[in-house]
Amino acid sequence: EAGVTQFPSHSVIEKGQTVTLRCDPISGHDNLYWYRRVMGKEIKFLLHFVKESKQDESGMPNNRFLAERTGGTYSTLKVQPAELEDSGVYFCASSSLTGSYTEAFFGQGTRLTVV
Amino acid sequence: SQKIEQNSEALNIQEGKTATLTCNYTNYSPAYLQWYRQDPGRGPVFLLLIRENEKEKRKERLKVTFDTTLKQSLFHITASQPADSATYLCALDNQAGTALIFGKGTTLSVSS
Repeated sequence: EAGVTQFPSHSVIEKGQTVTLRCDPISGHDNLYWYRRVMGKEIKFLLHFVKESKQDESGMPNNRFLAERTGGTYSTLKVQPAELEDSGVYFCASSSLTGSYTEAFFGQGTRLTVV
Repeated sequence: SQKIEQNSEALNIQEGKTATLTCNYTNYSPAYLQWYRQDPGRGPVFLLLIRENEKEKRKERLKVTFDTTLKQSLFHITASQPADSATYLCALDNQAGTALIFGKGTTLSVSS
């Protein structure tokens, strides 16, 4: 069974540019999460989808971040325009059930560097 | 707001010894607590989950305890091996029970 896949693995962009990160969850997992780890800090929650619906986007930093999950399959996270403080590792995770009583499967992450 | 502290950023032990990692939390009473392992350049990998009404959970050489009075979880690796070297993350459910709140992690180094 394929795991959670994220593209690209690395991205270096200039301040002001746009970047789109993609996440393919494990097939059949309705729950999809985006997390981010900024250097020196803990992994922080960004948002949660159940199928194509956003259940919780309380962790999204600002309106420069837009997440979508059309059709309830893969998800994209767009940053537009990117700022220096957006640099970090973006993780996607999926799970079959909602809630922390079940394990989450994480992708390898996308390392975003804004210069 | 909820806060998680993993007491040590780094822990160095010798092969064969037991590694004990600590996770403390405040301002919350989580229903579940999870431990993950993260290797460099990889995403976190789930290890164990323990519920608030469970005192202890074991899986092979791993043992997790959950003390809701002390607001603390201990993570033990017995008979540690160099392959156990990694960063270990403690995670709790958020108040909505829909996502995870992570600690910064403890980087364990096991020397042979």
